[in-house]
Amino acid sequence: KNQVEQSPQSLIILEGKNCTLQCNYTVSPFSNLRWYKQDTGRGPVSLTIMTFSENTKSNGRYTATLDADTKQSSLHITASQLSDSASYICVVSGNNDMRFGAGTRLTVKP
Amino acid sequence: KAGVTQTPRYLIKTRGQQVTLSCSPISGHRSVSWYQQTPGQGLQFLFEYFSETQRNKGNFPGRFSGRQFSNSRSEMNVSTLELGDSALYLCASSLSDRAIHTEAFFGQGTRLTVV
Repeated sequence: KNQVEQSPQSLIILEGKNCTLQCNYTVSPFSNLRWYKQDTGRGPVSLTIMTFSENTKSNGRYTATLDADTKQSSLHITASQLSDSASYICVVSGNNDMRFGAGTRLTVKP
Repeated sequence: KAGVTQTPRYLIKTRGQQVTLSCSPISGHRSVSWYQQTPGQGLQFLFEYFSETQRNKGNFPGRFSGRQFSNSRSEMNVSTLELGDSALYLCASSLSDRAIHTEAFFGQGTRLTVV
């Protein structure tokens, strides 16, 4: 069983709408949690990185939350744009390794 | 400031051959980590190097190896290629010595196809 589970697997929304992606993890001990955006055929680009003590972090229209007690994180995208169409990957680091979620494939339609 | 550069971008190899991929980190970054991405397994951590020393290693067979040079450039090598090694291989660089604890900047990847 993967230690980082993301949902939904895929999502289609209309341009301008908001959406929320989920990440649940069991990695322990916990060092940090990151959200990456990956366009097709390109390398991932970092959106946010949060440590245990942080519960919210924003990067423009992207806002990530972290509940270290329940081991859950979410990525909220506000006023979606066509360029937000991509895979969003949740990555959780322990002391000596990194675990990757399978990603959520977001499609924004006009 | 140039980003992480990976070469080549695309590669086709035959089963049983070996392959070497190259990664040049962002100037000033001393940590380089490697990842394999496949549709079935997603992203998986291969290994991490800092100051020419391997710091962490993922759960991959010994056919996968790497090294880092004094200028921080890194190479990874896969020997005795198998069909299942077909993947996008990503390299990332970090400023500090623990890529898993700090922000990592990814290159565009090398798409390896094994036939």
